[in-house]
Amino acid sequence: DILLTQSPAILSVSPGERVSFSCRASQNIGTSIHWYQQRTNGSPRLLIKYASESISGIPSRFSGSGSGTDFTLTINSVESEDIANYYCQQSDSWPMFTFGSGTRLEIK
Amino acid sequence: QVQLQQSGAELAKPGASVKMSCKASGYTFTRYWMHWIKQRPGQGLEWIGYINPNTGYNEYNEKFKDRATLTADKSSSTAYMRLSSLTSEDSAVYYCAHWDGGFAYWGQGTLITVSA
Repeated sequence: DILLTQSPAILSVSPGERVSFSCRASQNIGTSIHWYQQRTNGSPRLLIKYASESISGIPSRFSGSGSGTDFTLTINSVESEDIANYYCQQSDSWPMFTFGSGTRLEIK
Repeated sequence: QVQLQQSGAELAKPGASVKMSCKASGYTFTRYWMHWIKQRPGQGLEWIGYINPNTGYNEYNEKFKDRATLTADKSSSTAYMRLSSLTSEDSAVYYCAHWDGGFAYWGQGTLITVSA
């Protein structure tokens, strides 16, 4: 199985700051990584697909980068509505998908 | 617009089975594989398996292949997951989701509580 490691478990930032989430894969997965936001009591929402491709309807402050084993989700200018858990997910081993354990974003 | 409407919360006893549903609308049901994903309270996400609604073909995560059964009814655009031999470890929210370059659409989740 492809293991995805997300760090740190919790990020705390002030509104307006830039924040980056890390996701590391246990083997080379190219750009087969996708990012999700999950607010409290909500379903996950797809933010970025294939490492850096934007999704219609997602604010432009969300962006993704990386390839191989190291990936980053960045939020430019964090807003209070961004409080959520963020998960990465790989599709390289289709269809045996795996998710990272998530990073919780807190607003100071 | 694409919608995945899941069945309501259920309470089940250990050793029993549950069957939950996911009714799709807003797109051609047979065109997209339906996936099922588990989330235990306060935990991360775990992929269970998928079904091709057009052919009925499915594949499972090894961890669930002996207890999860995925089916689909084309006439009602509804996918089902049956989970058997329940234990407390199966207490979780179960999501259906459809893949469109990432899990682009999700149901609202079905909460299953396993308790005597």
